[in-house]
Amino acid sequence: GESVGLHLPTLSVQEGDNSIINCAYSNSASDYFIWYKQESGKGPQFIIDIRSNMDKRQGQRVTVLLNKTVKHLSLQIAATQPGDSAVYFCAENKENTGFQKLVFGTGTRLLVSP
Amino acid sequence: DAGVTQSPTHLIKTRGQQVTLRCSPKSGHDTVSWYQQALGQGPQFIFQYYEEEERQRGNFPDRFSGHQFPNYSSELNVNALLLGDSALYLCASSWAETNTEAFFGQGTRLTVV
Repeated sequence: GESVGLHLPTLSVQEGDNSIINCAYSNSASDYFIWYKQESGKGPQFIIDIRSNMDKRQGQRVTVLLNKTVKHLSLQIAATQPGDSAVYFCAENKENTGFQKLVFGTGTRLLVSP
Repeated sequence: DAGVTQSPTHLIKTRGQQVTLRCSPKSGHDTVSWYQQALGQGPQFIFQYYEEEERQRGNFPDRFSGHQFPNYSSELNVNALLLGDSALYLCASSWAETNTEAFFGQGTRLTVV
């Protein structure tokens, strides 16, 4: 069945370091992936997305890498800041179904120490 | 530009009661999806509304129902509440043309006692 999993439940880094959050997915038919950031008491905040016809996409301080061969997704955050502390979710979807049904993993908590 | 707004932000209900949660999508979006997020878990898809119809449903019982209005806003109704229905209920809006970039509201925290 479909599932999106994360390798590490908690990641602790020092301010200024680069962070890498990993995600594995099992549905090879998924063609659209999103990373969300969720702070305590808030809804998920869209960070960056990538389609399956791409291997890499960059945003402001963030980069998403997609490896379709091993069904692996990663989020890289450059120069991590205390404000980046949150739970990060990857989610997958199949675009050509005509509707959106995101499948989320359980999330990785990122802790940034000053 | 207002993002996705949900009301109320918090709600306490008793077992067996019924509850209605509301969502207004982001401006320009025509599709609304509802998710349930239990504590410490990722969001789980409940259902999606487009053109005032439910067009996809997740693995949730019929106690969960919804509605979409002509202005694209939506309601989630849950009947015969159980303790296990306690969760953060999230609304996400998107544009059906691309079905990408779903934006979430801040959620409604429902506690069933």
